[in-house]
Amino acid sequence: GENVEQHPSTLSVQEGDSAVIKCTYSDSASNYFPWYKQELGKRPQLIIDIRSNVGEKKDQRIAVTLNKTAKHFSLHITETQPEDSAVYFCAASKWNNDMRFGAGTRLTVKP
Amino acid sequence: EAGVTQFPSHSVIEKGQTVTLRCDPISGHDNLYWYRRVMGKEIKFLLHFVKESKQDESGMPNNRFLAERTGGTYSTLKVQPAELEDSGVYFCASSHSGTVFGYTFGSGTRLTVV
Repeated sequence: GENVEQHPSTLSVQEGDSAVIKCTYSDSASNYFPWYKQELGKRPQLIIDIRSNVGEKKDQRIAVTLNKTAKHFSLHITETQPEDSAVYFCAASKWNNDMRFGAGTRLTVKP
Repeated sequence: EAGVTQFPSHSVIEKGQTVTLRCDPISGHDNLYWYRRVMGKEIKFLLHFVKESKQDESGMPNNRFLAERTGGTYSTLKVQPAELEDSGVYFCASSHSGTVFGYTFGSGTRLTVV
């Protein structure tokens, strides 16, 4: 089955700096890669996703990149703000079924 | 539209007791998933229902866990008897077959076994 690894487990940045979170996956058939943000005490919320036919996707300060050959994908947050502080999870699945998650990255943005 | 709802939001039980968690998916979502997150670790897959059928239950830790989805609507996850290591946050998520927008998660049930 699919195995997703995520690094780093914790990340602390200064407000305004960029943050990068990286994930690798094992199943080359996976074709859907969402990212979820979980704020303290709240449910995971989808913030951005990418499909295997696309190498990069951007939405305002958030971007995701996908390297299918290397089986890794990354989340990039630019101009970080304190409200970006949360736990971020990457995930991989085939056609949005049986999603498998990474271990999460706790991002802290210091004002 | 109403989201995925779970209850209770918190449950504290003693080791050996039984607890039943409930998840109401978004209406019309055929796919229902249970996940568990133990403190500081990944959101771990437990099982997947398609309507009332168990599509994949490979993540269920042992036979103390029983999930049902009678009628293909809401689902329950029963832990009997509960052990200390069962503590964690249990998330339910649902999706519509063919959706492109990922899963919708419930708020989770925080289970503490003491």
